[in-house]
Amino acid sequence: KAGVTQTPRYLIKTRGQQVTLSCSPISGHRSVSWYQQTPGQGLQFLFEYFSETQRNKGNFPGRFSGRQFSNSRSEMNVSTLELGDSALYLCASSPTVSMNTEAFFGQGTRLTVV
Amino acid sequence: DAKTTQPTSMDCAEGRAANLPCNHSTISGNEYVYWYRQIHSQGPQYIIHGLKNNETNEMASLIITEDRKSSTLILPHATLRDTAVYYCIVRVAGSSNTGKLIFGQGTTLQVKP
Repeated sequence: KAGVTQTPRYLIKTRGQQVTLSCSPISGHRSVSWYQQTPGQGLQFLFEYFSETQRNKGNFPGRFSGRQFSNSRSEMNVSTLELGDSALYLCASSPTVSMNTEAFFGQGTRLTVV
Repeated sequence: DAKTTQPTSMDCAEGRAANLPCNHSTISGNEYVYWYRQIHSQGPQYIIHGLKNNETNEMASLIITEDRKSSTLILPHATLRDTAVYYCIVRVAGSSNTGKLIFGQGTTLQVKP
């Protein structure tokens, strides 16, 4: 069974631009969560989607948004990029939103804002 | 949100058991303890999780104290490939029954030959 696939793996953008990252969950998984990892802040929760609905949101500005499609694939978008948005963005998928089910992470997208 | 406390770093000799402690004194009755590890620049890898009973799988064992305020992850025979940052996480209960993961700073485990 294929794992969580994130594309692209690496991305370089300029300040002020916007970016869209993609996540394809494990087949059959309906929950997708996004995390940001930086050296200073560590791994921080961005948002969680289940059945195309945002179920939970972390403490990030409105420039960070996401969505989930009917096939459970998810995208996250960051508008008006800032240098501080440079990070590893990780996506995790789970079969459901139950607390008793593990989340599997992709390899992440490394975003560099210059 | 329940918070976890872990030692910043630990060393372990190759072939010996690695015991990684975690405190989660504010954990609620329906919140699970999860362990993940992350090898440099890769996505976190799921290891094990539990509620109140001890758990074992092919990777590790999880020992949770009776009061659930702390737990220990045990890697029975550590290898060099187990060198990683290990995260102890309490999976947060929410009104909409979501389960976001709150990562702390983790423990950097260095397995030495």
